[in-house]
Amino acid sequence: NAGVTQTPKFQVLKTGQSMTLQCAQDMNHEYMSWYRQDPGMGLRLIHYSVGAGITDQGEVPNGYNVSRSTTEDFPLRLLLAAPSQTSVYFCASRRTGNTGELFFGEGSRLTVL
Amino acid sequence: GENVEQHPSTLSVQEGDSAVIKCTYSDSASNYFPWYKQELGKGPQLIIDIRSNVGEKKDQRIAVTLNKTAKHFSLHITETQPEDSAVYFCAATTGNQFYFGTGTSLTVIP
Repeated sequence: NAGVTQTPKFQVLKTGQSMTLQCAQDMNHEYMSWYRQDPGMGLRLIHYSVGAGITDQGEVPNGYNVSRSTTEDFPLRLLLAAPSQTSVYFCASRRTGNTGELFFGEGSRLTVL
Repeated sequence: GENVEQHPSTLSVQEGDSAVIKCTYSDSASNYFPWYKQELGKGPQLIIDIRSNVGEKKDQRIAVTLNKTAKHFSLHITETQPEDSAVYFCAATTGNQFYFGTGTSLTVIP
């Protein structure tokens, strides 16, 4: 099993550009989520999904869109990138039901100039 | 929403000593409290967790304690080793939304 796979690992954007961060998991997890990690602020939830076709907002959803068309994939879209979105982004998944271990990807480092 | 505070932000210990990291939470409905270890350039990995119906859990050199009344939980690492050097995060959740502390950078000095 590859676990949670994120692409790309590094990306540089100009303000106003758009891009999609990809996340795929091969553990048949129904729950998937996106976090951003900033110095001194820990991990903050952007969006999450409890299954195909179902998404919901986390703590910091503004400026980001998500969709969940399959169990395996949960892409994160930045439509109009801003310097404030410079961060390291992590995708995480887990089984649904009672709470349990979150499995994280290796992260995607995004710089918006 | 939930607010998780974590202290200290940095911690240095001599190899073989113990390390303690403390977290507090605000939402009494939170019922699951995991601890994650993050090595440089990697994603966080679960090292231990505790549910609200348990007061203490131990796994070899790592232990977690939970005080629901005071709304705080702690990570204890005994006999620290250089490979324990990393950033540690606590978290609290009621289910779908995990709230993380701001992290503790632990350095174990050989």
